Amino acid sequence: TQLLEQSPQFLSIQEGENLTVYCNSSSVFSSLQWYRQEPGEGPVLLVTVVTGGEVKKLKRLTFQFGDARKDSSLHITAAQPGDTGLYLCAGLKTSYDKVIFGPGTSLSVIP
Amino acid sequence: NAGVTQTPKFRILKIGQSMTLQCTQDMNHNYMYWYRQDPGMGLKLIYYSVGAGITDKGEVPNGYNVSRSTTEDFPLRLELAAPSQTSVYFCASSRPVDRGNTIYFGEGSWLTVV
Repeated sequence: TQLLEQSPQFLSIQEGENLTVYCNSSSVFSSLQWYRQEPGEGPVLLVTVVTGGEVKKLKRLTFQFGDARKDSSLHITAAQPGDTGLYLCAGLKTSYDKVIFGPGTSLSVIP
Repeated sequence: NAGVTQTPKFRILKIGQSMTLQCTQDMNHNYMYWYRQDPGMGLKLIYYSVGAGITDKGEVPNGYNVSRSTTEDFPLRLELAAPSQTSVYFCASSRPVDRGNTIYFGEGSWLTVV
């Protein structure tokens, strides 16, 4: 069973559209991170959220951590082809000292 | 700015062979990890280490072994390779994760077992 679930699994949209991807769990996390991975490369950190209800913005990307610290969302405004990649959420549980990754959302932005 | 370096980049193994994936980092990070990623999937934690001499199992440790004799190096050993171990392997390192620190990944090692 997955500790972290992500939806949708795959998403294909036209350039300029908006989208939201979700990361959900039944567990509480002390912090949650979002990474983007391009083909043939390792994941690269986009953001870390640590406070329930926290919202962080990174240019056209908006990240939110749920109030109960069990879920998170990533919203992209006016998607561009350069946003194409695998988006992974990763959570740290307070009782562990390691990070667990979700299965990822594969995003394709068509010009 | 080497970061996390892992070798080899590509390897083909026959069933039953053994090999070691090498990983070294130059950022003086205490935490190191090995993940595997199957096609179209996320990352599964194999083993991790919070410092030299300390290792612990992750989600999918069966068929693998690790050692951490120095802060810099964290090799992953595959004994008796099986087709189920065909995957992309990522080594990573970080400062203590309980402070939300970034995990830095290597470029990956593509392993095929035939």
